[in-house]
Amino acid sequence: EADIYQTPRYLVIGTGKKITLECSQTMGHDKMYWYQQDPGMELHLIHYSYGVNSTEKGDLSSESTVSRIRTEHFPLTLESARPSHTSQYLCASSAPRGVREQYFGPGTRLTVT
Amino acid sequence: GNSVTQMEGPVTLSEEAFLTINCTYTATGYPSLFWYVQYPGEGLQLLLKATKADDKGSNKGFEATYRKETTSFHLEKGSVQVSDSAVYFCALSDRGNNNDMRFGAGTRLTVKP
Repeated sequence: EADIYQTPRYLVIGTGKKITLECSQTMGHDKMYWYQQDPGMELHLIHYSYGVNSTEKGDLSSESTVSRIRTEHFPLTLESARPSHTSQYLCASSAPRGVREQYFGPGTRLTVT
Repeated sequence: GNSVTQMEGPVTLSEEAFLTINCTYTATGYPSLFWYVQYPGEGLQLLLKATKADDKGSNKGFEATYRKETTSFHLEKGSVQVSDSAVYFCALSDRGNNNDMRFGAGTRLTVKP
């Protein structure tokens, strides 16, 4: 059973606010990911990390930033939220060896008004 | 580069009908293949996987066979239930490409009683 957590699950916030979406995992996984999921369901990789102090941008350009100070924690920050940031955000992690399937958190549904 | 193409939805079936969701892939190396399922309001869950040619992954009555000759990994279930209504994602992970995971666009399945 994968143990990966995201908070908050739902967030409604006004334009211009700074927000941080939390993601944590208790499996000791080195690689972690953030995806943005559009209403059409498709997943877009926006950030990933190979381990502590490693952060990389994904395939989809995003105005968000991430940090990886601890293995288990991979928060995503939006300095100034806009309505275009309204989306579902999914965090995932994968094991250090083997097949490396990804385990997903429950997601944060963000609405910017 | 690596990519996954899956059957466009939405797919609507009656309970106890046979399900097939087609998935084909393009990969430069020797990928592992996956099916994930996403229930409403949740993150993705691993449904099944196969790591080499001719492997069959199975779980909860769903099956998929890794066919290297046709580069396919079609998802099947003999008798669907209303509770199978969800979005299904085909994915691949290629060790030759740093194990980066590529997802298909997702197929929404609705099963009616």
